[in-house]
Amino acid sequence: KQEVTQIPAALSVPEGENLVLNCSFTDSAIYNLQWFRQDPGKGLTSLLLIQSSQREQTSGRLNASLDKSSGRSTLYIAASQPGDSATYLCAVPPDGTYKYIFGTGTRLKVLA
Amino acid sequence: DAGVIQSPRHEVTEMGQEVTLRCKPISGHDYLFWYRQTMMRGLELLIYFNNNVPIDDSGMPEDRFSAKMPNASFSTLKIQPSEPRDSAVYFCASSPNPGQGPGYTFGSGTRLTVV
Repeated sequence: KQEVTQIPAALSVPEGENLVLNCSFTDSAIYNLQWFRQDPGKGLTSLLLIQSSQREQTSGRLNASLDKSSGRSTLYIAASQPGDSATYLCAVPPDGTYKYIFGTGTRLKVLA
Repeated sequence: DAGVIQSPRHEVTEMGQEVTLRCKPISGHDYLFWYRQTMMRGLELLIYFNNNVPIDDSGMPEDRFSAKMPNASFSTLKIQPSEPRDSAVYFCASSPNPGQGPGYTFGSGTRLTVV
């Protein structure tokens, strides 16, 4: 059974710092991985999707990498801003399905 | 587009009552998903539809839960009878193609409290 773990559970950094969020999954038979952002009281916003054949995806200050064989993904946020404060979740679907399994998230706070 | 619209935003009901949650997906999105989020269990997929047809309902916790999608612009999640352990935030999401993207759009959720 696929399990998705995110470490750390919470992170507090000063504005301007570069940071890395980690996601690990137990079953490498995935065909993509997504990173989401959730603001308090809101739904999730899809940030990046990496196909299993890709190593990384970039969008603005965000860069997500995928190492399928080791069951790991990282989300790199460059030059963090207070507006980046949110909970970040990663999710993977078992191979061939759309049944995304979510990690418990990393709650990020960027201090001004 | 107004995005994925869920109603109501908040629902407080007594144990044993029927609860109906509603979702309007984004026009043109062929996939619709219902998720439940709790502190203890995180986000869990309950059921998803493709072109109004339920594809996988293995996440529906019990027979008390049912979901329908009578047309491409409307879906409901019903709990009958409701129990306190059903208290959670229920999200609806839609996507044109979940495997490509990012194209997953979530609604703002319905916070359900069963007392």
